[in-house]
Amino acid sequence: KAGVTQTPRYLIKTRGQQVTLSCSPISGHRSVSWYQQTPGQGLQFLFEYFSETQRNKGNFPGRFSGRQFSNSRSEMNVSTLELGDSALYLCASSQRSHSYEQYFGPGTRLTVT
Amino acid sequence: DQQVKQNSPSLSVQEGRISILNCDYTNSMFDYFLWYKKYPAEGPTFLISISSIKDKNEDGRFTVFLNKSAKHLSLHIVPSQPGDSAVYFCAALLPGNNRKLIWGLGTSLAVNP
Repeated sequence: KAGVTQTPRYLIKTRGQQVTLSCSPISGHRSVSWYQQTPGQGLQFLFEYFSETQRNKGNFPGRFSGRQFSNSRSEMNVSTLELGDSALYLCASSQRSHSYEQYFGPGTRLTVT
Repeated sequence: DQQVKQNSPSLSVQEGRISILNCDYTNSMFDYFLWYKKYPAEGPTFLISISSIKDKNEDGRFTVFLNKSAKHLSLHIVPSQPGDSAVYFCAALLPGNNRKLIWGLGTSLAVNP
């Protein structure tokens, strides 16, 4: 069974731009969660989608948004990028919503200059 | 404010010896705890978990101990192997409708041959 895939793996953007990251979950998994990882803050939960609906949301500004498609693939969008948005963005999938056993992708390394 | 704390950023152990990774938490509402392992350039991988109603869970070389009165849990790896060298994250789950994982900052374990 293929694992969670994330594209792109690396991205460099300029302040003020916007970015879209993509995540394909494990086949059969309907829940996708997004996390931001930075050295000082660790993994911070962004949001979770299940069956195309946002089920849970972390404490991030509205510039961070996401969506999920009918095939469970998910995208995350960050608008008006700031330097502090530089981080590793991880996507995790699980079979059901609010599941603690999550399977992570390798992440997308975003650098904002 | 970090609700889940891993106070040792790094740990170095000799192959064959015991590795003990520690985690403290502040929120007594957490009802489930998990350990994840992360290799460079990969996403975290679920390792072992424990419910708050238990004080020990064992899986092969890995054992997690939970001391609720002290709000402390630990992961024991016996015997340690060089392939165990990775970053270990402790995570805790809040109950209720908006269940989400709260993560520690991680401990980097180096097992020396």
